[in-house]
Parts: sequence; structure tokens; C-alpha cells
Amino acid sequence: GENVEQHPSTLSVQEGDSAVIKCTYSDSASNYFPWYKQELGKGPQLIIDIRSNVGEKKDQRIAVTLNKTAKHFSLHITETQPEDSAVYFCAPKRGPGAGNMLTFGGGTRLMVKP
Amino acid sequence: DAGVIQSPRHEVTEMGQEVTLRCKPISGHNSLFWYRQTMMRGLELLIYFNNNVPIDDSGMPEDRFSAKMPNASFSTLKIQPSEPRDSAVYFCAVPSGSSYNEQFFGPGTRLTVL
Repeated sequence: GENVEQHPSTLSVQEGDSAVIKCTYSDSASNYFPWYKQELGKGPQLIIDIRSNVGEKKDQRIAVTLNKTAKHFSLHITETQPEDSAVYFCAPKRGPGAGNMLTFGGGTRLMVKP
Repeated sequence: DAGVIQSPRHEVTEMGQEVTLRCKPISGHNSLFWYRQTMMRGLELLIYFNNNVPIDDSGMPEDRFSAKMPNASFSTLKIQPSEPRDSAVYFCAVPSGSSYNEQFFGPGTRLTVL
């Protein structure tokens, strides 16, 4: 099965600084790479995703970069704000369709200090 | 529009009691996932339904756990008898997005077994 690791497990940054979280995976057949954000008391919610035919994707202050050869992808948050404080999960997956499972990493707790 | 209702939101029970958690996808889905989240083990997939049939239940911890999906708008996860180590937050999720890669999570049920 897929082995997924995230680093760091906790990250504390000053408001306005950038944050980077890295996810490594083992299944070379994975071709869908999402990041989920979980706020306190809520379920995880998708914030950005990338497919294996693309190296980078941006959406305002967040971006995801993919290195398929090295089997890792990263979440980049620029100009961090207190509302970015949450737990972030990567969840690589094979193929389209609901039948291929997401495998969640252990999570990274991001704290943005005002 | 993906949306998921879970009930109850909080459940406190005593060891040995039966617990039933409920999930109601707002739009109706033939596929549904149940997850368990703890500090020690992170986010674990318990069972996956497709066309209302359990496809992968390899994550179900033991025979005390059972799940049903009688129709596209309702699913239950039952624990009988419950044990303190079952204390966790239980989420259900439904596929979402154009390729069904994304999963939309409900708000979760926080279960405490005393």
C-alpha cells in the first residue's frame, strides 16, 4: 500500500511569513495530489490539488508543487494569516474515480502567530 | 452540491453500550466513506461503499464495528459493544469534483466511551 509522510509535523510562523509543508509518497502509480485543511472542530476540506501532468499550481496565496520523479509534493502558503492556522493533510491517490482511495499523511499543524 | 450531515455531533457513552453514528449525504451519493481520527493513529479509512455495497472494509477494526448503507441518502456505523479505545472523531465523506477525486467530509461525530 501507499506510504505517506509529511514534514514537519508542526510549523510555527509569524504572520506574513511563508510556510512550506512537504509530502513524500511511495506509490509510483499515484497521479492525483491534493492538500486538505482541517480547522478545529471540522472535517478536512480540499484547498488545492494537482495532477501528475502538471508541475505547479497556484491559487491566490497557496500553491502546490510536484516532483513526481522524487515522489514528493509540497504545499506553499505565502503571506500567512492567522486564519491559515489549522492542520494540513496531503492525500495522494491513484487514478480518477471514487474507487481509488486517498491515503492521508499524518498531518502538519500550522500555527500563524499574529 | 456536495454536503453531508452527521448525527449526533457528540456522543458520550459507557463501555459496553451500543453506539450508532449516522451520515446523511444531502444530494444522495452511491459512494460513501467512513473515517476515524485519533491523535495516535491520525485519519484512518474504515470502510468504503459504492452503489450502496461495501467494497473495502479492511479498515474496520474488528467485529464490534459494522456499517450499512441502505440507500444513497443514508449510512450508519455501529459499534457494539463500545470500548474506551473507540473514542475518536468519526467522519463520513462523499466523492466530489469532476473526476470524483475529491472527498467532501461531514463535520464529524466526536465519540467518547467512558
